[in-house]
Amino acid sequence: DAGVTQSPTHLIKTRGQQVTLRCSPKSGHDTVSWYQQALGQGPQFIFQYYEEEERQRGNFPDRFSGHQFPNYSSELNVNALLLGDSALYLCASSFGHRTYNSPLHFGNGTRLTVT
Amino acid sequence: AQSVTQLGSHVSVSEGALVLLRCNYSSSVPPYLFWYVQYPNQGLQLLLKYTTGATLVKGINGFEAEFKKSETSFHLTKPSAHMSDAAEYFCAVSEPPPWAGNNRKLIWGLGTSLAVNP
Repeated sequence: DAGVTQSPTHLIKTRGQQVTLRCSPKSGHDTVSWYQQALGQGPQFIFQYYEEEERQRGNFPDRFSGHQFPNYSSELNVNALLLGDSALYLCASSFGHRTYNSPLHFGNGTRLTVT
Repeated sequence: AQSVTQLGSHVSVSEGALVLLRCNYSSSVPPYLFWYVQYPNQGLQLLLKYTTGATLVKGINGFEAEFKKSETSFHLTKPSAHMSDAAEYFCAVSEPPPWAGNNRKLIWGLGTSLAVNP
């Protein structure tokens, strides 16, 4: 039973470019959340997708957008990259966005470096 | 607004010694509390969680935590540290229903890096 998988594992981009990160949730999960974790910091919630819609959003600009597909996989898109976007991007899946006892399962993350 | 404070960004213990990682929270409603562990170059793994009921919660790898409402704390402990426990530990809080509505957002502490010395 595969857990949460993210691709790519590492990525280097230049300021102003655009990037797409991908996430496949754990089998049986239908909700995907994205987090940004800067070096030495805790994760910061970006947004959550359920039933192909963005359900919750953290304090991130519109440059950060996402999508969820019918198979529950998800993409995180970041436009006009800034140096400050360099971070580990974590995807977490769970079952049912209203199920508070459903623990989040995290992928190993995508390390994005913006130069 | 909810917040989490983890006291001590770095903790160092000897193998076999007690592990104590501190977490204090702020919440206007009874919280749900979580401890996650992150090994180098990996995602976060749930160690344990408190939702309702018994205030002493047992998790994986021999860890446990006690919810103390009067102290607004949720400290993580393990009686005997093992070399494999070296990792980053994060405390997180969320609002439970009905306050949270559709919100599954976790508020995270800054993390505590645990080093285990032979």
